[in-house]
Amino acid sequence: KAGVTQTPRYLIKTRGQQVTLSCSPISGHRSVSWYQQTPGQGLQFLFEYFSETQRNKGNFPGRFSGRQFSNSRSEMNVSTLELGDSALYLCASSLDTTDEKLFFGSGTQLSVL
Amino acid sequence: AQSVTQLGSHVSVSEGALVLLRCNYSSSVPPYLFWYVQYPNQGLQLLLKYTTGATLVKGINGFEAEFKKSETSFHLTKPSAHMSDAAEYFCAVSDPSTASKLTFGTGTRLQVTL
Repeated sequence: KAGVTQTPRYLIKTRGQQVTLSCSPISGHRSVSWYQQTPGQGLQFLFEYFSETQRNKGNFPGRFSGRQFSNSRSEMNVSTLELGDSALYLCASSLDTTDEKLFFGSGTQLSVL
Repeated sequence: AQSVTQLGSHVSVSEGALVLLRCNYSSSVPPYLFWYVQYPNQGLQLLLKYTTGATLVKGINGFEAEFKKSETSFHLTKPSAHMSDAAEYFCAVSDPSTASKLTFGTGTRLQVTL
């Protein structure tokens, strides 16, 4: 069974641009969560999607958004990039919203110049 | 909201020595607790999970953790370190009162030396 797949693996953007990251969950998993990982802040929760609906949201500005498709694949978008958005963005999938056992992808490393 | 505290951002052990990574949780009710490992340039992988029942939990790669309610601790141990254990380890707690399924500690980087 294929694991969680995140694309692209690396991204370099400049301030003010926007970016879209993609996540394909494990087959059969319907919940997708996104985390931002930085050396200073550690792992911070962005949001969770289930059945194409955002179920939970962390404490991030509105520049961070996401969506989920009918096949459970998810995308997250960051608009008007800031230098501080440089981070590893991790996607994790689970069976449903009550399942705490998260399976993580390898992440997308975003660098904002 | 529940949280976990990992004592020691960096731990160094010799190959073959005991590995002890510390995690304390803050909770008034028994939480669900997790240990994840992150190898360089990879995502997080679940090592083990405590929900209810037996307080000694065995995980993958020879790791285990013991839930001690009296000490609010969930320390991760391995009897004999291997070079391949070098990675970052995260303790996490499941907290239904927060938006996030899991709240992670700040991580402990394990270095294994010859």
